[in-house]
Amino acid sequence: DAKTTQPPSMDCAEGRAANLPCNHSTISGNEYVYWYRQIHSQGPQYIIHGLKNNETNEMASLIITEDRKSSTLILPHATLRDTAVYYCIVYYSRADKLIFGTGTRLQVFP
Amino acid sequence: DTGVSQDPRHKITKRGQNVTFRCDPISEHNRLYWYRQTLGQGPEFLTYFQNEAQLEKSRLLSDRFSAERPKGSFSTLEIQRTEQGDSAMYLCASSFYGTSSTDTQYFGPGTRLTVL
Repeated sequence: DAKTTQPPSMDCAEGRAANLPCNHSTISGNEYVYWYRQIHSQGPQYIIHGLKNNETNEMASLIITEDRKSSTLILPHATLRDTAVYYCIVYYSRADKLIFGTGTRLQVFP
Repeated sequence: DTGVSQDPRHKITKRGQNVTFRCDPISEHNRLYWYRQTLGQGPEFLTYFQNEAQLEKSRLLSDRFSAERPKGSFSTLEIQRTEQGDSAMYLCASSFYGTSSTDTQYFGPGTRLTVL
């Protein structure tokens, strides 16, 4: 079973920041938080990952709480092309597999 | 484009036929994964290879399913005697597993299978 809890859906206005929350209260010390997204009928797209510290790349920012029990993915200026299902996954590479939940369906509207 | 390619992108077959899918990973990646995704669900792990060795198989991978990665490069997934319940998107991912503490999996576009 997935070790994360995400809201099933969210809306965001184009140009605004999209903040997608994720709870992972049972995360272990060696597990990373990964975010992927899946645009309709395409393969999942890697976005970002982190262990303890906040991370930023060209796509998004990842904020992880100090106790590591939750995180937030931030898309700073959402566009219509960001409409997708976003998956938050806790992953330990020695465990060898990604376990997906049902994710958050983000709808960006004009 | 992640650099992971899958062929074919779509396959329609009749129940009872055999089908084979191919995945070409990112060239320097030593791990290759297969997942299956049905409508409305997240991808589910099927199996993975490290180089040529198949290291884990999910209970989802029935006896009708077989996967190979003969030279540690591309992989094939074969489904024998297809059933309507096999209709799904079959996803391939690859990663480089080494001395780093984590490896990031990159997915291909998937092969959508429809069994009539």
